[in-house]
Amino acid sequence: GENVEQHPSTLSVQEGDSAVIKCTYSDSASNYFPWYKQELGKRPQLIIDIRSNVGEKKDQRIAVTLNKTAKHFSLHITETQPEDSAVYFCAASKGRSNYQLIWGAGTKLIIKP
Amino acid sequence: EADIYQTPRYLVIGTGKKITLECSQTMGHDKMYWYQQDPGMELHLIHYSYGVNSTEKGDLSSESTVSRIRTEHFPLTLESARPSHTSQYLCASSEVVPGFKLNFGPGTRLTVT
Repeated sequence: GENVEQHPSTLSVQEGDSAVIKCTYSDSASNYFPWYKQELGKRPQLIIDIRSNVGEKKDQRIAVTLNKTAKHFSLHITETQPEDSAVYFCAASKGRSNYQLIWGAGTKLIIKP
Repeated sequence: EADIYQTPRYLVIGTGKKITLECSQTMGHDKMYWYQQDPGMELHLIHYSYGVNSTEKGDLSSESTVSRIRTEHFPLTLESARPSHTSQYLCASSEVVPGFKLNFGPGTRLTVT
């Protein structure tokens, strides 16, 4: 079945450095790829998303890149800050469905002071 | 303020009891979802709904049922709680168009003893 693989499971970076989280999807029909951030004890929140007709999208310190040929997409966080510490989840739409997402297993990002 | 609400926030209950987790949203969204998540771990879709009188089972096998009689209300019922049901349950909603942003509720932390 369709799946999304997310790496690494834990990422520890020095404050101010960059962090990169990578996801690979299996369904070639997937056309929507969101990233969610979940802080400890809180609900997941959408931080950025990208559709298959776009290769890159940026929002301040956060960017997402998509390689449709290789079927992988990545989250880039620059100039990391303590408040970036959280679990990050990638997801891919189930085919062209607007109703279901296939989720990655999550990456725990730790920002070291 | 438009939001998504879940009650109770915490519940400790004995094996074999019937429980209903409540979820309400005031955003007028047609699509609603129930996810099961152990803290900081992968999100598992257990039920979703396209709109009133529409419900579907997700990928995670679950001994739960849902109903969607009103747009704003999507309760989840466990007929007979078991210790394996101990987890966090997240309700979410999203628009039909144009986007697919999931708005999550604060969650219900369920413990079955």
